[in-house]
Amino acid sequence: DIQMTQSPSSLSASVGDRVTITCRASQSISRYLNWYQQKPGRAPNLLIYAASTLQSGVPSRFSGSGSGTDFTLTISSLQPEDSATYYCQQSYSAPPWTFGQGTKVEIK
Amino acid sequence: EVQLVESGGGLVKPGGSLRLSCAASGFNFSTYSMIWVRQAPGKGLEWVSSISGSSSYIYYADSVKGRFTISRDNAKTSLYLQMNSLRAEDTAVYYCARVISQMIMFGGVIGGYSWFDPWGQGTLVTVSS
Repeated sequence: DIQMTQSPSSLSASVGDRVTITCRASQSISRYLNWYQQKPGRAPNLLIYAASTLQSGVPSRFSGSGSGTDFTLTISSLQPEDSATYYCQQSYSAPPWTFGQGTKVEIK
Repeated sequence: EVQLVESGGGLVKPGGSLRLSCAASGFNFSTYSMIWVRQAPGKGLEWVSSISGSSSYIYYADSVKGRFTISRDNAKTSLYLQMNSLRAEDTAVYYCARVISQMIMFGGVIGGYSWFDPWGQGTLVTVSS
């Protein structure tokens, strides 16, 4: 199974800051990488698919990049409503579809 | 509007059974694969099971294989998860989600990509004596 590792596990940043979350796969997964946002008590919500394609309706301050084993999710200017946990997920080799352990983003 | 609504969660004793349902609306249900993903309290996301549109392809996580059964009724646009021999470690919020699959070209190379969208609101399963 492909293991997905996110870093950091949590971060605290101020409104307007640029935030970067990293996701690393245990083997090359090309661009088969998706990102989800989950707010407390809510279901996950798709942000980015195929490593860099922004889902319709997602604010343009979110962006994704990477291929192979290393990927990043960037929030260009952090907003209060971005307080959430973010998960990466690989679809290169499935089943099983595997997720990273999550990165909790808090607002200072 | 595409919508998924789970139901059937609750409190069950270890060794007991429960059947979850996911009612789908707003899309051509039979043409999409569907999945179940669970999230234990305070933990991350874990894929549980998936089923293709025609039910021809069914997969399970090792942690539930032999105990859980996924199924669907395309006429009723509903997805199900029959959970038997439940254990304390099965305690989680269970989400259903639609699998979107598309052929996308990057740098002249086309590939089959998939992702989960949307997700239902989830239903809580608690296994405790």
